[in-house]
Amino acid sequence: QQQVKQSPQSLIVQKGGIPIINCAYENTAFDYFPWYQQFPGKGPALLIAIRPDVSEKKEGRFTISFNKSAKQFSLHIMDSQPGDSATYFCAASIGGAQKLVFGQGTRLTINP
Amino acid sequence: NAGVTQTPKFQVLKTGQSMTLQCAQDMNHNSMYWYRQDPGMGLRLIYYSASEGTTDKGEVPNGYNVSRLNKREFSLRLESAAPSQTSVYFCASIRGGSGSYNEQFFGPGTRLTVL
Repeated sequence: QQQVKQSPQSLIVQKGGIPIINCAYENTAFDYFPWYQQFPGKGPALLIAIRPDVSEKKEGRFTISFNKSAKQFSLHIMDSQPGDSATYFCAASIGGAQKLVFGQGTRLTINP
Repeated sequence: NAGVTQTPKFQVLKTGQSMTLQCAQDMNHNSMYWYRQDPGMGLRLIYYSASEGTTDKGEVPNGYNVSRLNKREFSLRLESAAPSQTSVYFCASIRGGSGSYNEQFFGPGTRLTVL
């Protein structure tokens, strides 16, 4: 049973566009929602994270939007660049970042 | 400061062979994890160690064993490899105990193929 469902599986956007990756969860006890970025041949690295007490968090060109009532959260990348091409994973956990449940991943390609 | 290191980077096994994947971190982190990554499945937790001397099963523990050798090292053992264990394995660690919202740091991964 996939506790965190991520879509789309793959996404192609032109440079400067705004890719949006969505995640949905069922367990209302989740209280930590990070996004990880993974480049080919590398391990995932934390990109940005949000707690459910806020509806939006922005770090540079990356923004998380969080909708608690809909049990959904999404990642937006402003002014996307070819260097943003990577696989992105959403995740969720309860009571800390100890046991993360990951979404299926989205392979993002930004064309020049 | 090397962060999280994993050995080997690549490995090919025959069905039934055994091997141990090694992981070490030099960040004095308390908790360590083993994940496997498969296409379309995301990362799934195999085993974790909340602190030195403790280990617990994750979502997909069958066919694996772990050892938390000391605070720095956490190994994953496949006793009798099966083709279904073909995957990329990642080790991760996190500072702080239960309830902390710190970042999980991941190693570079081990790509394992079981023939």
